[in-house]
Amino acid sequence: EAQLVQSGAEVKKPGQSLRISCKGSGFRFPTYWIAWVRQMPGKGLEWMGIIYLDDSDTKYSPSFQGQVSISADRSTSTAFLQWRSLKTSDTAIYYCARSPSAFYGMDLWGQGTAVTVSS
Amino acid sequence: DIQMTQSPSTLSASVGDRVTITCRASQSVSTYLIWYQQRPGKAPKLLIYDASSLQSGVPSRFSGGGSGTDFTLTISDLQPEDFATYFCQQTYTVPYTFGPGTSVDVK
Repeated sequence: EAQLVQSGAEVKKPGQSLRISCKGSGFRFPTYWIAWVRQMPGKGLEWMGIIYLDDSDTKYSPSFQGQVSISADRSTSTAFLQWRSLKTSDTAIYYCARSPSAFYGMDLWGQGTAVTVSS
Repeated sequence: DIQMTQSPSTLSASVGDRVTITCRASQSVSTYLIWYQQRPGKAPKLLIYDASSLQSGVPSRFSGGGSGTDFTLTISDLQPEDFATYFCQQTYTVPYTFGPGTSVDVK
């Protein structure tokens, strides 16, 4: 069974760094894109960026460019979302999701990682 | 960025109703339009891709239509598990923006 399993909830202070992960199994990881989507408390979905797992081609939303880094490790079928310096406004649930291509949308989602940033 | 809007923002309905949600793009996205369902506390679920193609495993009471800038999601014969929030997303141009969502709740 194909699945994406995300790392657990995090509680951090402003200014700290963080990397969360998304591990794929049950499908051929390099043939897909992995996207990251933010959902702030009580709000809608925001597309952050996407990485193609075969060659690590990465595209960011301008809203998140420079604020986060997206990467992947083919050898462990894992994608990552990283912050160098967290802000309280980064408090949200972060989802990873698999996409065969833009045309087909995101057909498999992780369970979400809750990130809380508070002093 | 392409801006996506949805209407209504909230829709009150009863089991068995037929409901339609509208999504509009600020410029043409051809048929690169996706619909997702999100139940409270859960990850989103893909319903429709290519504006009108039903994702495998999704009940046939869900249907999508439209092209260019105007799109619809229709749920015929609303079921209890369909009370949720629905989001459209364009995947024509990066960033792949979402609409603000439509909450379908119990009348």
